[in-house]
Amino acid sequence: EVQLVESGGALVQPGRSLRLSCTVSGFNFDEYAMHWVRQAPGKGLEWVSAINWNSGATGYADSVKGRFTISRDNAKKSLYLQMNSLRVEDTAFYFCAKPRSIIVVSAPLDSWGLGTLVAVSS
Amino acid sequence: DIQMTQSPSSLSASVGDRVTITCQASQDITNFLNWYQQKPGKAPKLLIYDASNLETGVPSRFSGSGSGTDFTFTISRLQPEDIATYYCQQYDDVPYTFGQGTKLEI
Repeated sequence: EVQLVESGGALVQPGRSLRLSCTVSGFNFDEYAMHWVRQAPGKGLEWVSAINWNSGATGYADSVKGRFTISRDNAKKSLYLQMNSLRVEDTAFYFCAKPRSIIVVSAPLDSWGLGTLVAVSS
Repeated sequence: DIQMTQSPSSLSASVGDRVTITCQASQDITNFLNWYQQKPGKAPKLLIYDASNLETGVPSRFSGSGSGTDFTFTISRLQPEDIATYYCQQYDDVPYTFGQGTKLEI
């Protein structure tokens, strides 16, 4: 069974940093790109970032470019999101998600974690 | 960035109704379009990929169509368990933008 478990969410002040983790099981992590998607409370989904299977390529939403960094450790079957210079508008549930197809980054997301809440407030 | 315009934003229907949601892309995305269902407090669930392909295990009352810039998502006979918010998403180009969502109520 495919499982994705996010962790690291917390209440932080504006301008501070936070690192999210996503630990997976049930599939060959090192064959898949991975994505982060977020959802502000009561709002819609926003794609945040993606990384290919070997960390050779990454992509970001304009709203987080230059502040967030996606990375992965295939040996630990883990995905990360380093979030710097956090803003109030970054407050959201952050989901990690797995594409439906191996290797390709641009693919439907067929498995999701339950999310971890990041709250940015003074 | 590719903008995805989804409508309506909310929809009230009855059990057994046929329900249709539309999604329009700001540029040609061929068929790189997904539909997701999200229930309150849950993660999104992939229902339709590549505009018209039904994900494994998803009931056949769900369907999708379209290509280029105009796409349609249909529930042929609405069931009580279909109460959720539905999102389209393009994956033709980064950022992989979502529509604003359609909240379906009975």
